[in-house]
Amino acid sequence: EVQLVESGGGLVQPGGSLRLSCAASGFTFSTYWMQWVRQAPGKGLEWVSHITGDGGGTTYADSVRGRFTISRDNAKNTLYLQMNSLRVEDTAVYYCVRDNFGVDFWGQGTLVTVSS
Amino acid sequence: DVVMTQSPLSLPVTLGQPASISCRSSQNLVHSDGTTYLTWFQQRPGQSPRRLIYQVSKRDSGVPDRFSGSGSGTDFTLTISRVEAEDVGIYHCMQGTHWPPWTFGQGTKVEIK
Repeated sequence: EVQLVESGGGLVQPGGSLRLSCAASGFTFSTYWMQWVRQAPGKGLEWVSHITGDGGGTTYADSVRGRFTISRDNAKNTLYLQMNSLRVEDTAVYYCVRDNFGVDFWGQGTLVTVSS
Repeated sequence: DVVMTQSPLSLPVTLGQPASISCRSSQNLVHSDGTTYLTWFQQRPGQSPRRLIYQVSKRDSGVPDRFSGSGSGTDFTLTISRVEAEDVGIYHCMQGTHWPPWTFGQGTKVEIK
């Protein structure tokens, strides 16, 4: 059974940093692209970043480029999102999702709140 | 960037009646490989999204056959043939043809009248 379990969310002040993790199981992690998608409270879904299976290729939404870094450790079956220079508008539930020629499985999400 | 526009944004429905949600894209979603990467997700209250339909009309395993997807090019539709109480939630369309970025519609909230 495919499982994606996010962790690392919490309350942080504007300008602060957080690192999100996503532990994957039930599939051969290294062979899949992975993505982060976020959802601000009461809002729609927004794509944040993607990474290829070997970690050699990454892309970012304009809203986070230069502040967020996606990475993965295939030996640990774990996806990461390093978030720096956080802004109030980054407040959202962050989902780890698998990309199988299109998004298929989603994690349960982790809430990031940026507030003073 | 491809803009995805859903309508309506709110859809009150009667139990047992059909319901349809439209999703229009600002660009043709046929990929150079011939596949149209248009996906529908269901998000029940308090839950993470779940994929229902991929590549326009392919239903995921375990998805009831009352859900169907159709369309082509820039115009797509998700249809629920007979709405049940468990279908309440928000439905999102997403394109994965012209990336980055992958883009979503605004979401359509389905509720029971």
